[in-house]
Amino acid sequence: EDQVTQSPEALRLQEGESSSLNCSYTVSGLRGLFWYRQDPGKGPEFLFTLYSAGEEKEKERLKATLTKKESFLHITAPKPEDSATYLCAVQAMVLMDSNYQLIWGAGTKLIIKP
Amino acid sequence: SQTIHQWPATLVQPVGSPLSLECTVEGTSNPNLYWYRQAAGRGLQLLFYSVGIGQISSEVPQNLSASRPQDRQFILSSKKLLLSDSGFYLCAWTSGPWSYNEQFFGPGTRLTVL
Repeated sequence: EDQVTQSPEALRLQEGESSSLNCSYTVSGLRGLFWYRQDPGKGPEFLFTLYSAGEEKEKERLKATLTKKESFLHITAPKPEDSATYLCAVQAMVLMDSNYQLIWGAGTKLIIKP
Repeated sequence: SQTIHQWPATLVQPVGSPLSLECTVEGTSNPNLYWYRQAAGRGLQLLFYSVGIGQISSEVPQNLSASRPQDRQFILSSKKLLLSDSGFYLCAWTSGPWSYNEQFFGPGTRLTVL
């Protein structure tokens, strides 16, 4: 069964304390892996797409990496405004009704204390 | 640039009442459209998706229905709401057909059924 697991469920860091969020997946052929940021009461905001193992993407203090079994979202010297829930989703090589479905993780709630 | 709108932003409805949530996309044509529901602290549950006008695929059996009367309009409906229908409803789009690109989300509708 295709599955996406994010860990930890919640992470509390001091401002400037770097860390990583994990997204592990089991799918029958990976087509793409997506990272989103979601602020309370808002829709998810797209961050990155990764397509193949070894690929890396960066945006400001965030860096996403991908292996054959998992992805990491590294946060370097975070600031309080980086506090949010980070969602991971995987797209498998399975076409259903002309559409490739996304399998979503439950998210990691990141809290950065000043 | 593309934008996605959802309304209303919040809704409080009694059990047994009807529901209509609307989503519209601007700045693109023939998008794939999606309705998700998000429970507190959980990942996104896909409810319906559409690859074209009048084409609706359902992921979860329930008392909800969806319609796509126009290319960039997606409507989520119910004839009689249940308490379990409470949640955060998100509409998303991606370029289609045969799309494997990232999904972009609207601001969401917070539905409370009392």
